[in-house]
Amino acid sequence: GEDVEQSLFLSVREGDSSVINCTYTDSSSTYLYWYKQEPGAGLQLLTYIFSNMDMKQDQRLTVLLNKKDKHLSLRIADTQTGDSAIYFCADYGNNRLAFGKGNQVVVIP
Amino acid sequence: SAVISQKPSRDICQRGTSLTIQCQVDSQVTMMFWYRQQPGQSLTLIATANQGSEATYESGFVIDKFPISRPNLTFSTLTVSNMSPEDSSIYLCSAWTGTEAFFGQGTRLTVV
Repeated sequence: GEDVEQSLFLSVREGDSSVINCTYTDSSSTYLYWYKQEPGAGLQLLTYIFSNMDMKQDQRLTVLLNKKDKHLSLRIADTQTGDSAIYFCADYGNNRLAFGKGNQVVVIP
Repeated sequence: SAVISQKPSRDICQRGTSLTIQCQVDSQVTMMFWYRQQPGQSLTLIATANQGSEATYESGFVIDKFPISRPNLTFSTLTVSNMSPEDSSIYLCSAWTGTEAFFGQGTRLTVV
């Protein structure tokens, strides 16, 4: 894992879909992760994708990976108020797990 | 999955002292990592804890300031040495199972 970039803030209405984006630079990344962190809480692993996959769906979560562009996205369908949190992407490569800056998602009821 | 127990959960320490943070995993894991998270910030990797050998430190972090031990595949410690107020932060332990990476609840350290 080397540098990982994320945008900072997203506001979304309850019931809509949220899309969070992330770019990374380490071409040797083998696994890419999405974590959720609520205020004052630890990091919760939401989902991950192996680098030879381009999509993974897990209930309301869809991860898309464009390895050529080193771009990772997380789509949350039917966003709920409980989805309000900071979301971090991370990539594992070269025996390192590096994190992006995080994206705060605020869900408006 | 892996369950990680980290302690202490929080501490207030005097400057110039040292604090050792413990991280226990409920299963053997391939890799263990230590991070620092400042309020409102992302996680900064301090080092990778290697079992049976010296930790691998990231740029800006040195062994004298952050000595790390990993005596076996389920346990690691991070010591924050000669603390100053700038060391006030949340310190997090992570365990990588070979596919997934899990985190402890963190240690909130305040140096006064």
